[in-house]
Amino acid sequence: NAGVTQTPKFRVLKTGQSMTLLCAQDMNHEYMYWYRQDPGMGLRLIHYSVGEGTTAKGEVPDGYNVSRLKKQNFLLGLESAAPSQTSVYFCASSLRSDISDTQYFGPGTRLTVL
Amino acid sequence: AQSVTQLGSHVSVSEGALVLLRCNYSSSVPPYLFWYVQYPNQGLQLLLKYTTGATLVKGINGFEAEFKKSETSFHLTKPSAHMSDAAEYFCAVRNTGGFKTIFGAGTRLFVKA
Repeated sequence: NAGVTQTPKFRVLKTGQSMTLLCAQDMNHEYMYWYRQDPGMGLRLIHYSVGEGTTAKGEVPDGYNVSRLKKQNFLLGLESAAPSQTSVYFCASSLRSDISDTQYFGPGTRLTVL
Repeated sequence: AQSVTQLGSHVSVSEGALVLLRCNYSSSVPPYLFWYVQYPNQGLQLLLKYTTGATLVKGINGFEAEFKKSETSFHLTKPSAHMSDAAEYFCAVRNTGGFKTIFGAGTRLFVKA
């Protein structure tokens, strides 16, 4: 099992460019999440998905879009990147979302927007 | 609304000394509480979690945490620090029946030889 993988690991964009971050999990998990991590702010939820074909907004969704066309993949898109989106992005998945279900995290994507 | 406060953005201990990382939470309903560890350039990894039952929870790598409802705390401890414990630690809370996990800002642990 590879667990949760993220592509790419690093990326530098110019303001206004677009890109897509890919998250893949091989654990047959129903729930998937995208977080951003900024210094001194912990992790904040951007979007999440409770199953194939479904997505929902999290805490900080503005400027991002997501898609979950296949159960194992969760894509995060930036249509017009801004410097405020410079961050480390983590994808996570869990089998369900009930009570104490454990989230498994990917290694992260470090994005810099110039 | 739920929130998590981690006291101290940086904690430094000597190898072999007690590790104490503080976490306080606010929640209007009984919470589920988690500690995660993040090693450099890696994702978060679950250390331990409290759901129900015994308030002292043991996790991986010799860490444990105690849920104290009266103090709304869930502090993380380890009796003897090891160099390999140097990492960032995140406390998190989720309400029972809730969906979203709220993370604290993190505490970076330094271990001195």
